[in-house]
Amino acid sequence: TQLLEQSPQFLSIQEGENLTVYCNSSSVFSSLQWYRQEPGEGPVLLVTVVTGGEVKKLKRLTFQFGDARKDSSLHITAAQPGDTGLYLCAGGRETSGSRLTFGEGTQLTVNP
Amino acid sequence: KAGVTQTPRYLIKTRGQQVTLSCSPISGHRSVSWYQQTPGQGLQFLFEYFSETQRNKGNFPGRFSGRQFSNSRSEMNVSTLELGDSALYLCASSLVPAYSGNTIYFGEGSWLTVV
Repeated sequence: TQLLEQSPQFLSIQEGENLTVYCNSSSVFSSLQWYRQEPGEGPVLLVTVVTGGEVKKLKRLTFQFGDARKDSSLHITAAQPGDTGLYLCAGGRETSGSRLTFGEGTQLTVNP
Repeated sequence: KAGVTQTPRYLIKTRGQQVTLSCSPISGHRSVSWYQQTPGQGLQFLFEYFSETQRNKGNFPGRFSGRQFSNSRSEMNVSTLELGDSALYLCASSLVPAYSGNTIYFGEGSWLTVV
């Protein structure tokens, strides 16, 4: 059973467009992390959100943690080809140490 | 400072063989966790070590094992390899076992192909 559902799984857009990726769960997480992974490389942490309703911005990327800490979203404004990659959300729980539950990922392609 | 270092980066093994993968965490980090990434299953947690003790274990068969040394370096071993073990094996480190807000850093991974 996939505890974190990511949508969409694939997204192909043109440079300059906006997009939103969703990460949903029926379970509560203590923290929610977003990673970006490029082919042949390990995931690189983008952001960690820990408070329900929290919003964090990283340049053109906006991350939100749901009030109930069961869902999160990643919004990219004016996407660029350099944003291309696999975006992964991962949930953590205080009782689980470094054990993260990952979503299936969203493969984003931004075409010039 | 240096990131998480994994060796080897690529390897090919035959069914039935065993393999050992190595991970050096970021200097000062004492917690190491391992994940398996495959196209079909995504990233799945294998195990976590802290202070040379396994703290957490995922749902993998006993063929998958690991250990951590006093210098925090970690190894994982897979015995009696099966074709389905072909995957990217990722090591991650954190200062202490990560929970809310703590940061986990991933290495570049070890690509294992079983033929």
